[in-house]
Amino acid sequence: AQSVAQPEDQVNVAEGNPLTVKCTYSVSGNPYLFWYVQYPNRGLQFLLKYITGDNLVKGSYGFEAEFNKSQTSFHLKKPSALVSDSALYFCAVRDESGGFKTIFGAGTRLFVKA
Amino acid sequence: KAGVTQTPRYLIKTRGQQVTLSCSPISGHRSVSWYQQTPGQGLQFLFEYFSETQRNKGNFPGRFSGRQFSNSRSEMNVSTLELGDSALYLCASSRTDANTGELFFGEGSRLTVL
Repeated sequence: AQSVAQPEDQVNVAEGNPLTVKCTYSVSGNPYLFWYVQYPNRGLQFLLKYITGDNLVKGSYGFEAEFNKSQTSFHLKKPSALVSDSALYFCAVRDESGGFKTIFGAGTRLFVKA
Repeated sequence: KAGVTQTPRYLIKTRGQQVTLSCSPISGHRSVSWYQQTPGQGLQFLFEYFSETQRNKGNFPGRFSGRQFSNSRSEMNVSTLELGDSALYLCASSRTDANTGELFFGEGSRLTVL
């Protein structure tokens, strides 16, 4: 069965510093991995995805994520955080053999302090 | 291009009643997924439809049902409402029937059960 773990409920970072939001996954086949962001009282917005190929994927708003197959991780990163990056971030996974079902992690709240 | 539209945005029901939520996907998107979001359980997958067929279903009781119409619009129904059904219900559409497509979310329907 597919599963996703986001070990941190909250991440605090100062504006201008690099940020990392962690994600590990478990699937039976090849993983399709996604990051989404949710602002207050809004739906989720797609940030980036890894399907195959280069392990470093770049997405919206300067975010990137690194796929690490041996560690089954897909951490979200940004070189320089902005106050406007403060939001709830979700990692998600699909299993290529698991059907059209996306499983989401519990979410990590990112707080960027000015 | 219009985004995913969910109606109603807010509604209040009492225990034992039933509710129907509607979702209009982005034009050209044929896959529609539904999720329940609560503070304690995070995002839980309800079901996914493609071309009027339910392709996958989450672990929810039979009180939760859905359907998709020929124009890809989808509805979900919850019968015999319980207090625990209070949640934000999110609909998401995808433009491909491939397993690699990202989801585009609506802003949700917030259901309060009294």
